[in-house]
Amino acid sequence: EVLLVESGGGLVQPGGSLRLSCAVSGFTFSRHWMNWVRQAPGKGLEWVASIRPDGSAAFYVDSMKGRSTISRDNAKDSLFLQMNGLGAEDTAVYYCVRDRDWASDSWGQGTLVIVSS
Amino acid sequence: QSALTQPASVSGSPGQSITISCTGTSSDIGRYNHVSWYQQHPDKAPKLIINEVSDRPSGVPDRFSGSKSGNTASLTISGVQAEDEADYYCGSYRIGSPRWVFGGGTKLTVL
Repeated sequence: EVLLVESGGGLVQPGGSLRLSCAVSGFTFSRHWMNWVRQAPGKGLEWVASIRPDGSAAFYVDSMKGRSTISRDNAKDSLFLQMNGLGAEDTAVYYCVRDRDWASDSWGQGTLVIVSS
Repeated sequence: QSALTQPASVSGSPGQSITISCTGTSSDIGRYNHVSWYQQHPDKAPKLIINEVSDRPSGVPDRFSGSKSGNTASLTISGVQAEDEADYYCGSYRIGSPRWVFGGGTKLTVL
């Protein structure tokens, strides 16, 4: 069974930082592109970042460029998202997502990030 | 404002067919067949129901189907059931940035 379990969300003050983690199991992690997708309360889905299977390249939504870093540890089957300079607009549930056949085929349960003073 | 445009809501009675449209541009839906659809029930994570325009992952009922014409993709539910009441999102790979885009979501109400 494919499992993705996010952690690291919580309440953070504006301008603060947070590192999200995603532990995966049930598939060969090192063979897949991985993504972070977020969903603000009551809103739609927004792609945040993607990383190649070997970690050699990463891509970001414009609003996160320069203040976030997606990374992975293939030896530990783990995905990460380091976010800095957080603002209210970053408040959302963040999903760890596996990419397969050009689609987001497996999703974690999400971790909630709240940016507020 | 989402990159892909979907109707905010659709409704149908059990057994009826409904179609949800998803309009993009020549940079995404019009350029690639990497169009997918997701179903999201309240307080749940999204679930992939269609990928590559019209492919159904294992376990997805065959009443769900997808198609594409030009810059517009469509999801059809043939014979909608009560458990299909949910939010539906389209997604597409695109050239340039952002790499992936989603629609704003369509709320399906089963009357």
